[in-house]
Amino acid sequence: QKEVEQDPGPLSVPEGAIVSLNCTYSNSAFQYFMWYRQYSRKGPELLMYTYSSGNKEDGRFTAQVDKSSKYISLFIRDSQPSDSATYLCAMRGNYGQNFVFGPGTRLSVLP
Amino acid sequence: SQTIHQWPATLVQPVGSPLSLECTVEGTSNPNLYWYRQAAGRGLQLLFYSVGIGQISSEVPQNLSASRPQDRQFILSSKKLLLSDSGFYLCAWRPPRLAEYQETQYFGPGTRLLVL
Repeated sequence: QKEVEQDPGPLSVPEGAIVSLNCTYSNSAFQYFMWYRQYSRKGPELLMYTYSSGNKEDGRFTAQVDKSSKYISLFIRDSQPSDSATYLCAMRGNYGQNFVFGPGTRLSVLP
Repeated sequence: SQTIHQWPATLVQPVGSPLSLECTVEGTSNPNLYWYRQAAGRGLQLLFYSVGIGQISSEVPQNLSASRPQDRQFILSSKKLLLSDSGFYLCAWRPPRLAEYQETQYFGPGTRLLVL
């Protein structure tokens, strides 16, 4: 079992739709959870950062962490064509230096 | 504000040639620095990380090496490139331990390497 799993997609949705992106993980020690957006041929850009369980909202983006289920989600409301990118989840525990990344989900928002 | 630079943006090299990729960070001191490789359609593979000048930890055995000659400079090198070294190389930095936003990473624009 991989440490972090993510559906690679591609996921295609119409403009204005609500998008749900998800990651599951196996290491119960993970405490810090991040979502990155990566446009083609560019470096990943940090979108959201959450510590432990709960929700966090920033504009059209909402991050949810359910540690009991080892499941995290990123919701995008009123999706736009500019949201078309690959979304990577990342996580790490309280100790140590290394982040573990999911393989990414490719999202296409169609106008 | 902090910025991270990588160069070159694109590189085409023959098999067996040497490699040197450079990463610099501005606007912060004593950052943790990382080198990742991203193969097409795959996730990020951590190659090296550094918590200070001259301190390098390697995550996977490979044809590559890293050095940190200055606080905000991180270099990825190879003496002889292999075809399998092709990929998208990303440098990232993490704020120093005591910063309140320490649990995250910020990425550079990346270097696309093609070994022929």
